[in-house]
Amino acid sequence: QSALTQPPSASGSPGQSVTISCTGTSSDVGGYNYVSWYQQHPGKAPKLMIYEVSKRPSGVPDRFSGSKSGNTASLTVSGLQAEDEADYYCSSYAGSNNNVFGTGTKVTVL
Amino acid sequence: QVQLQESGPGLVKPSQTLSLTCIVSGGSISSGSFYWSWIRQPAGKGLEWIGHVYTSGSTNYNASLKSRVTISVDTSKNQFSLKLSSVTAADTAVYYCARSYRGYCNSISCPGAFDIWGHGTMVTVSS
Repeated sequence: QSALTQPPSASGSPGQSVTISCTGTSSDVGGYNYVSWYQQHPGKAPKLMIYEVSKRPSGVPDRFSGSKSGNTASLTVSGLQAEDEADYYCSSYAGSNNNVFGTGTKVTVL
Repeated sequence: QVQLQESGPGLVKPSQTLSLTCIVSGGSISSGSFYWSWIRQPAGKGLEWIGHVYTSGSTNYNASLKSRVTISVDTSKNQFSLKLSSVTAADTAVYYCARSYRGYCNSISCPGAFDIWGHGTMVTVSS
């Protein structure tokens, strides 16, 4: 399966919002509500931020939200803070018990 | 609180087999319904799902690596393992183990999100 497509970079000033897209196909993103998002700081393991398109794990700030329309999922970070600067990856169930990750987006807080 | 810790050689010679183990602590690997995955990340690049073993022992692998990958579970040691054969420099990466819960995709059992990750271990393929 091919990697999901994300923009290489996104940026915003503190307090602003940034939205990251994750585009797949009807065989992955569009076919299932099992899209998740991960935050990764340099040298660290990824951290789950959103699961099943729009659900937040306990402890994740409500500034992070997820949505999906057709074959494209999105992660929005509202009220950007310095600590939100990181790489973000989406992931989706891709059928037949397979998973696929996105290409990753580097978020910069200006 | 379940925690995962990868272990294994940091250097593997080309054409040999990469072997890693993920030790599960704070809970039993055989309790509940979970998928235990291996994921890798070459330096400066994105994440790649390698495959997983379900609590029952059944496995699924990334099609691009399927011919070289074996993932197994050892419930007596509360750990699961990765073997990747015939390695080349392209297999150099940080390798993570991770857990995902069992979800239901269109009424069929499927892996959910990766909710727990190990810290990762760097493996270099070089002679």
